[in-house]
Amino acid sequence: KAGVTQTPRYLIKTRGQQVTLSCSPISGHRSVSWYQQTPGQGLQFLFEYFSETQRNKGNFPGRFSGRQFSNSRSEMNVSTLELGDSALYLCASSSLQGAGLPYGYTFGSGTRLTVV
Amino acid sequence: KNEVEQSPQNLTAQEGEFITINCSYSVGISALHWLQQHPGGGIVSLFMLSSGKKKHGRLIATINIQEKHSSLHITASHPRDSAVYICAVRREYGNKLVFGAGTILRVKS
Repeated sequence: KAGVTQTPRYLIKTRGQQVTLSCSPISGHRSVSWYQQTPGQGLQFLFEYFSETQRNKGNFPGRFSGRQFSNSRSEMNVSTLELGDSALYLCASSSLQGAGLPYGYTFGSGTRLTVV
Repeated sequence: KNEVEQSPQNLTAQEGEFITINCSYSVGISALHWLQQHPGGGIVSLFMLSSGKKKHGRLIATINIQEKHSSLHITASHPRDSAVYICAVRREYGNKLVFGAGTILRVKS
């Protein structure tokens, strides 16, 4: 079956612009989570969606937002880009196990965003 | 102090060696994940643990909930095992994932 698909793979934006990244989960997976990875901070959790509802949010400013559609595809948006937003943005999808505990994760290949 | 600490930060091993990567955490958790990231960014979820021990091929992961500690072992290491290994915990309350800084493993032939 197809894996987690993230588009675009690479993106260059100018400071002050906004950007939208897309993530299509594995068919049947209803949970999608987003992560930012930078050399300095490592992997950091952004947010998690299930059935179009945000379940968890990391410690990122309000410029970072996301949403999930009824087909479980998810988008994240970053407004007013800053140089420090340059990073690899990863999404992961998972199925649910038990009381809402995602069972494992399947990651996409990521979108590498460069802000100049 | 970070909630999730990994050791060592860097590890170089000779092909065939037994490798251990450690992860300690300071919060209550509902699950612990071991992830593998190869150059280029792709991340593979290796294990999810809430207790005991799991084995998959040459990889073994253990967790001691009382001691808040997990280990990832690689038996008969191979150059293709060279990657960054990341420990992540899901907090018991709030349900958020918190990541360790990763262990860079290089296996030489």
